[in-house]
Amino acid sequence: GQQVMQIPQYQHVQEGEDFTTYCNSSTTLSNIQWYKQRPGGHPVFLIQLVKSGEVKKQKRLTFQFGEAKKNSSLHITATQTTDVGTYFCAGPAGGAGNMLTFGGGTRLMVKP
Amino acid sequence: KAGVTQTPRYLIKTRGQQVTLSCSPISGHRSVSWYQQTPGQGLQFLFEYFSETQRNKGNFPGRFSGRQFSNSRSEMNVSTLELGDSALYLCASSLTGGSNTEAFFGQGTRLTVV
Repeated sequence: GQQVMQIPQYQHVQEGEDFTTYCNSSTTLSNIQWYKQRPGGHPVFLIQLVKSGEVKKQKRLTFQFGEAKKNSSLHITATQTTDVGTYFCAGPAGGAGNMLTFGGGTRLMVKP
Repeated sequence: KAGVTQTPRYLIKTRGQQVTLSCSPISGHRSVSWYQQTPGQGLQFLFEYFSETQRNKGNFPGRFSGRQFSNSRSEMNVSTLELGDSALYLCASSLTGGSNTEAFFGQGTRLTVV
């Protein structure tokens, strides 16, 4: 079945450093979604990318969808302590409906 | 508008028992999905309901079941609980339930099986 892999699993950064997490799917995706889960919280939708090669920015966050629509990345510029959490990518698992396959997540820790 | 509400927030059950978890989606949302989150396996899809019909099912044993009511509220049931069922169970609602709609997650129910 479809697999979505994310690397790295963990990342410690000093506040102000940049951070990137990478997502790879075993199958071509119609779209990719990114979620953030704060410690003790629940996943919160960040963004959806649909087009091949698409790049979207949200303040310090930059999201990219690969040309082949099988990989994606999230880059955070100048991390802040508020960025702490686990970032998940998720892709539709196929078929009708909203069945998502999530990557394993990248847990970001920021040292002040 | 109110978010996705899951009850209860925490639950402790004994092996062999059964449990029912509840999810009230955002008003107007017709699709409700359930996910199991564990440190080892991450977020895994259980099932999705749309207009009272199960539309998709993940790779979980038959002990895991669910249903959706006419008001879109959903319940999931786990029978004959095992220690490995200890997890955070998350419900997510979406407006149309298409593959390109964002999912709004509830706070989750933390189930501990002892």
